[in-house]
Amino acid sequence: EPEVTQTPSHQVTQMGQEVILRCVPISNHLYFYWYRQILGQKVEFLVSFYNNEISEKSEIFDDQFSVERPDGSNFTLKIRSTKLEDSAMYFCASSMGTGSVTDTQYFGPGTRLTVL
Amino acid sequence: GQQLNQSPQSMFIQEGEDVSMNCTSSSIFNTWLWYKQDPGEGPVLLIALYKAGELTSNGRLTAQFGITRKDSFLNISASIPSDVGIYFCAGRGWGGYQKVTFGTGTKLQVIP
Repeated sequence: EPEVTQTPSHQVTQMGQEVILRCVPISNHLYFYWYRQILGQKVEFLVSFYNNEISEKSEIFDDQFSVERPDGSNFTLKIRSTKLEDSAMYFCASSMGTGSVTDTQYFGPGTRLTVL
Repeated sequence: GQQLNQSPQSMFIQEGEDVSMNCTSSSIFNTWLWYKQDPGEGPVLLIALYKAGELTSNGRLTAQFGITRKDSFLNISASIPSDVGIYFCAGRGWGGYQKVTFGTGTKLQVIP
């Protein structure tokens, strides 16, 4: 069964450094998403991406964050200058983007980001 | 913002028991979703509900979309050890592409 994959599984970085989290969405999917989950808390929406542009973003997704689809298979989340509070699990998701109510977002296994 | 509160926050049950958990929202959703998250994994969709009042089953799982569109429940019958995990309710707009708003989660522990 096709699945969303994410790399790395765990990333440790120093505060102020840039990080890039990578995702390979399911191959025929057109909508891509990033969510994050701070340890012990709920999953929160960050951004959705369609047709090479941001479709929707939350208030968490400030100027420090950016997303890109650099080629036909990868979808990336960049955090320009990491802060301690960026430490979280980051989940990528993808959906077919048909617009149908039954269209489903499939989540990857996540990247655990630890900012020291 | 939209808030989804789940109860209980956590529960311990004996294997074989039935489980019920609830979710209430401060606002209306057009689609309700129930996800399960295993440790170190991403959320996996269990059940999706599309109409107010809808009752849907998936094996031992049964979920209902409240008439007011502001609540939902999930029941698990005859629990087994692999039911352990965190269960999240979530709301979404009509379109499958729209953002998913997650609840606070119910942590389930099953005692063999």
